[in-house]
Amino acid sequence: EAGVAQSPRYKIIEKRQSVAFWCNPISGHATLYWYQQILGQGPKLLIQFQNNGVVDDSQLPKDRFSAERLKGVDSTLKIQPAKLEDSAVYLCASSLYPGSTIYFGEGSWLTVV
Amino acid sequence: DAKTTQPPSMDCAEGRAANLPCNHSTISGNEYVYWYRQIHSQGPQYIIHGLKNNETNEMASLIITEDRKSSTLILPHATLRDTAVYYCIVRVVGSGGSNYKLTFGKGTLLTVNP
Repeated sequence: EAGVAQSPRYKIIEKRQSVAFWCNPISGHATLYWYQQILGQGPKLLIQFQNNGVVDDSQLPKDRFSAERLKGVDSTLKIQPAKLEDSAVYLCASSLYPGSTIYFGEGSWLTVV
Repeated sequence: DAKTTQPPSMDCAEGRAANLPCNHSTISGNEYVYWYRQIHSQGPQYIIHGLKNNETNEMASLIITEDRKSSTLILPHATLRDTAVYYCIVRVVGSGGSNYKLTFGKGTLLTVNP
């Protein structure tokens, strides 16, 4: 069974530019999560989707971050404009339903210079 | 905020058992104990979870104390590839409601030495 797919794997951008990350969850998984992991820290939840609806986006910096999951499968996380402090790994994860085991992708590494 | 306490680092000799402790003294009756690990440059990998009984799978064993205030993850025969940060997380599990997110702390860096 294929795992959570993410792209791009690595991205370097200048501050104030924009970037988008794509995620394809495990087939059949209704719940999708985006986490941010800053170097030396544990992952922090940014947003949780149930199908194509947002369940929890309380930690998402909405002035610059946006995310969507239009058809309830793939998801895109966008940052615009990027700041230096956005340098982190962006992890996508999915689960069959909200309370089931969560599986993570390999992550997208962002460096803002 | 994370509800668990773990030592920041531990060492283990290759081939020996690695025992990783976790304190979760404020755990609620409906919260499970989950373990994930993160090898350098990879995403977190699910290892095992349990409620109150000891659990074992192909990767590890989970021992939860009777009062559920602490647990130990056991890797029976550690290899160099087990070097990683190990996260202990308490989490509500169920099929109703919506807020079952994983809240990560800083975890334990396990270094397996040759």
